[in-house]
Amino acid sequence: ETGVTQSPTHLIKTRGQQVTLRCSSQSGHNTVSWYQQALGQGPQFIFQYYREEENGRGNFPPRFSGLQFPNYSSELNVNALELDDSALYLCASSPELAGEQYFGPGTRLTVL
Amino acid sequence: QKEVEQNSGPLSVPEGAIASLNCTYSDRGSQSFFWYRQYSGKSPELIMSIYSNGDKEDGRFTAQLNKASQYVSLLIRDSQPSDSATYLCAVNMDSNYQLIWGAGTKLIIKP
Repeated sequence: ETGVTQSPTHLIKTRGQQVTLRCSSQSGHNTVSWYQQALGQGPQFIFQYYREEENGRGNFPPRFSGLQFPNYSSELNVNALELDDSALYLCASSPELAGEQYFGPGTRLTVL
Repeated sequence: QKEVEQNSGPLSVPEGAIASLNCTYSDRGSQSFFWYRQYSGKSPELIMSIYSNGDKEDGRFTAQLNKASQYVSLLIRDSQPSDSATYLCAVNMDSNYQLIWGAGTKLIIKP
């Protein structure tokens, strides 16, 4: 059984650029949650997708957007990158909304 | 403001001893509680989930939940150097099943 995968592993962008991060959920999981984790902090919830619909959003501006595909994989898009967007971006999948969440390895984004 | 609080540590424990990690949460209606372990530079790894008051044991790990006092704890018996990591507490506080996370407690097991 394949776990949660994310791509790319690392990414360096400059301020103002746009970025797309990808996540493949674990087999049998229909829910994907995205988190931003700054150094020394706990994960901050960005948004969650359940069966291709957004199921809630954290305190992030509209330039953070996402979608979920029919195979339940997901993308996180960030427009107009800012220096403070530099962080580890984590994707987690779960078998249902209330299920345990399993994380991918994360994408380390650096904005210069 | 929905919050999950953890002592940031570091918590230093001798090898072979019991490590006790604590977490408090603000929403009395919370239903689901999770402990994750995160090694430096890696993503969080699920250790245990707990949903009912009382203790839940899995190998060397025991999660304890007290909803009346709004705290959840994780005990690690026979601590090993490989247990050295940051331990994150996550709580589901609303009907949308979104997790609220603590900032984590850094645990150091000294040989």
